[in-house]
Amino acid sequence: AQSVTQLGSHVSVSEGALVLLRCNYSSSVPPYLFWYVQYPNQGLQLLLKYTSAATLVKGINGFEAEFKKSETSFHLTKPSAHMSDAAEYFCAVSAYGDSSYKLIFGSGTRLLVRP
Amino acid sequence: DTEVTQTPKHLVMGMTNKKSLKCEQHMGHRAMYWYKQKAKKPPELMFVYSYEKLSINESVPSRFSPECPNSSLLNLHLHALQPEDSALYLCASSPTSNTYNEQFFGPGTRLTVL
Repeated sequence: AQSVTQLGSHVSVSEGALVLLRCNYSSSVPPYLFWYVQYPNQGLQLLLKYTSAATLVKGINGFEAEFKKSETSFHLTKPSAHMSDAAEYFCAVSAYGDSSYKLIFGSGTRLLVRP
Repeated sequence: DTEVTQTPKHLVMGMTNKKSLKCEQHMGHRAMYWYKQKAKKPPELMFVYSYEKLSINESVPSRFSPECPNSSLLNLHLHALQPEDSALYLCASSPTSNTYNEQFFGPGTRLTVL
């Protein structure tokens, strides 16, 4: 069964510092992986997705993620944090269930950005 | 139009009420989803519709009844809910329910059951 694990329920960084949010996946087949962001009282917005075309994936708002098969990881990074990046981040893997694919979400990481 | 809309934004209902949540998209997507999200938790899948047919029901209690009248519209009918059903209900859509398709989420309906 496919799953994702996000290490660290909370990550705190200073404004301008590197952001690193960790995600490890478990999958018996080549995975399709996604990072979503959720701002308070809003829905989820797609940051980026990995669909095997390239191991380094660039997303919106300066975020990128690198797929590392040997480490079963898909960590999300941003070189310089901005106050507006404070939000909840979810890693997800696409999994087949019944007759459709569905997203399996990690438990989420709350990013706090200190001034 | 690249957004998913949900109405109402907020809903307060008693345990004996009947209400409905509405979700709409005009992106031509043929897969639509309902999720339930409790505070500080990830979204939990409830239902998946593919080409207007229910394809996944994640063992959701029958007091939640989904309906997909056409390819643009998804409803969630609520009846005799419990206080523990209070949550943010998210709707999403994707081009199809294939594995590589990302899902586009609406802003959600914040439901409070008294």
